[in-house]
Order: sequence, then C-alpha cells, then structure tokens
Amino acid sequence: NAGVTQTPKFQVLKTGQSMTLQCAQDMNHEYMSWYRQDPGMGLRLIHYSVGAGITDQGEVPNGYNVSRSTTEDFPLRLLSAAPSQTSVYFCASSQNRDSYGYTFGSGTRLTVV
Amino acid sequence: SQQGEEDPQALSIQEGENATMNCSYKTSINNLQWYRQNSGRGLVHLILIRSNEREKHSGRLRVTLDTSKKSSSLLITASRAADTASYFCATVDYGQNFVFGPGTRLSVLP
Repeated sequence: NAGVTQTPKFQVLKTGQSMTLQCAQDMNHEYMSWYRQDPGMGLRLIHYSVGAGITDQGEVPNGYNVSRSTTEDFPLRLLSAAPSQTSVYFCASSQNRDSYGYTFGSGTRLTVV
Repeated sequence: SQQGEEDPQALSIQEGENATMNCSYKTSINNLQWYRQNSGRGLVHLILIRSNEREKHSGRLRVTLDTSKKSSSLLITASRAADTASYFCATVDYGQNFVFGPGTRLSVLP
C-alpha cells in the first residue's frame, strides 16, 4: 500500500547512544517532515525538507540531524540520546501543502533511559 | 510556539449526538486543516479549508472558518463510537509553516 513507512515502531536507548529513525514514502511527495508528539503538547516540528538535497530546522531541532539524498527517504538521526527525547516520533509527507494535507507514518515510540 | 489552540481539551458525548470542536489561531493563514488520531496511531487528514473559504463539508464533517476571528470549528454529526479519537487543527501560513494545536480528545459513549 502506498504511504509513509517508519521503522522501527518501538526503540529503547540508553542515554548517550545514537540511532537513526527511518522514514520512506512512495508517493513522490516533495515535502517531508519529522514531528515529535508529547502529552499535552500537540506535535512539534523537528526538521523538514522541501525536496531532495534541501532540509531546514523546525521548532525543536536541537539534538537531531536529517538528510534528504533521495525524494523517497528522510532519516532522522539522534546524535546522543537524552531522556528529554523520550517521545513518539512521526514522519509525514505532502504533495503540496497549499492544496493537500500531510500523510503520516504510524510513528516510532522512543524511550531513552 | 503553537499557532492553533483547540477547545475544549476533552469532550464526552453520547452516540448519535453532534460534536463540535473549535480552533483558534494567531496569524494570517493560507489554509487550515483538521486531522484525527486514534490511540497509538498516526494522524489522518480529514479536511482542508482555504483562507478564502467559509465552510466545507465531507460526509458527516462540517468545517467553518472565520478569518476575521481567526477561528475554525469542526462539527461531527451523528457521532459514532468509532469517532472516538483526538482531533487536531493545523494551520499553514504563507511562509509554508505548518503548526499543530494540542488537540481535543473526543469520547463517544455507546
């Protein structure tokens, strides 16, 4: 089925470890974003991309890196995990934010101990 | 900082009743979107309303937009237990900034 695929679904990290959350879409969408969702906070934008080779920071970028080498993939890297990064992470893509909404992945639940 | 703020934070109704959720925002927008999130799942896009539109319908959903008051409402008619979810508004401004509110938790009781 077409859509946004996130892996892994669950992850436990120790403080200081690094890891990459994977995100792939097969809809040829130009826009891709990473959000984190915390209780009572809604979704907060971490990083986004408007096309291959172009990325920019969102509201809460510290501690995260992204790259966009292809239209399909938009991985999120945690450089040195901290307990404050315990959250649910969502990747989303859109054909055109003027006319279409985002398609979301099913999320990655990350716990940092 | 959050652009959209939903109201109420939580809402419980009986099956068959209508549910109304409101969203207020602060700056000029290009469009406003509503999303649903079932527990433990990703968000699902419901409807998009542009800044030059006042009302839009999709099945049992009715969305209104009042740009003078910087507010929008989502009405779900004849609610079903399956409508139990969190509902989020998201605003897109002319700088392509896309911001979600904290959401409204809707419980539809059988």
